[in-house]
Amino acid sequence: GENVEQHPSTLSVQEGDSAVIKCTYSDSASNYFPWYKQELGKGPQLIIDIRSNVGEKKDQRIAVTLNKTAKHFSLHITETQPEDSAVYFCAATLYSSASKIIFGSGTRLSIRP
Amino acid sequence: NAGVTQTPKFRILKIGQSMTLQCTQDMNHNYMYWYRQDPGMGLKLIYYSVGAGITDKGEVPNGYNVSRSTTEDFPLRLELAAPSQTSVYFCASSYDGQYFVEQFFGPGTRLTVL
Repeated sequence: GENVEQHPSTLSVQEGDSAVIKCTYSDSASNYFPWYKQELGKGPQLIIDIRSNVGEKKDQRIAVTLNKTAKHFSLHITETQPEDSAVYFCAATLYSSASKIIFGSGTRLSIRP
Repeated sequence: NAGVTQTPKFRILKIGQSMTLQCTQDMNHNYMYWYRQDPGMGLKLIYYSVGAGITDKGEVPNGYNVSRSTTEDFPLRLELAAPSQTSVYFCASSYDGQYFVEQFFGPGTRLTVL
């Protein structure tokens, strides 16, 4: 089955700097890679996703890249702000099988003022 | 819309006790899910449902039961609680789970079994 590894587990960056979170997956059949943000005391919320036919996707300060050959995908946050402090989860799944989504272990991102 | 609501927010159980975690969504979503989140770990799927009357096991179903009598409600039952079930439980829903669309999560229930 699918296995998703996520690094680092904690990340602290200066406000205004960039943050990068990396994930690897094991099942080459996976074709959909969502990223979730979990704020303290709340449930995860989808912030961006990418499908395997796309190498990069951007949404304002957030971007995700995918390397299918290496089975790597990454989340990039630029010009970080205090409200970016949260736990971020990557995930991998088959687009046709939402019940089989596998989550990474999470990255706690802290933005230093 | 309230989205996905869960009750209770916190609960402490003694070993061997039982309880039901409630989950309700008002978005008319067909698919509903129960996940558990252990410290430092990602979410693991316990059970899911593709519609009223239909449920199926996820990755970690042992020790849990579910039912889906209505579109809105998807309760999770713990029988004979064990310390290993200490976790944060999240309920989620999506309009169509066959072709992945966004899952909307509730705020979670923090359960401690002592």
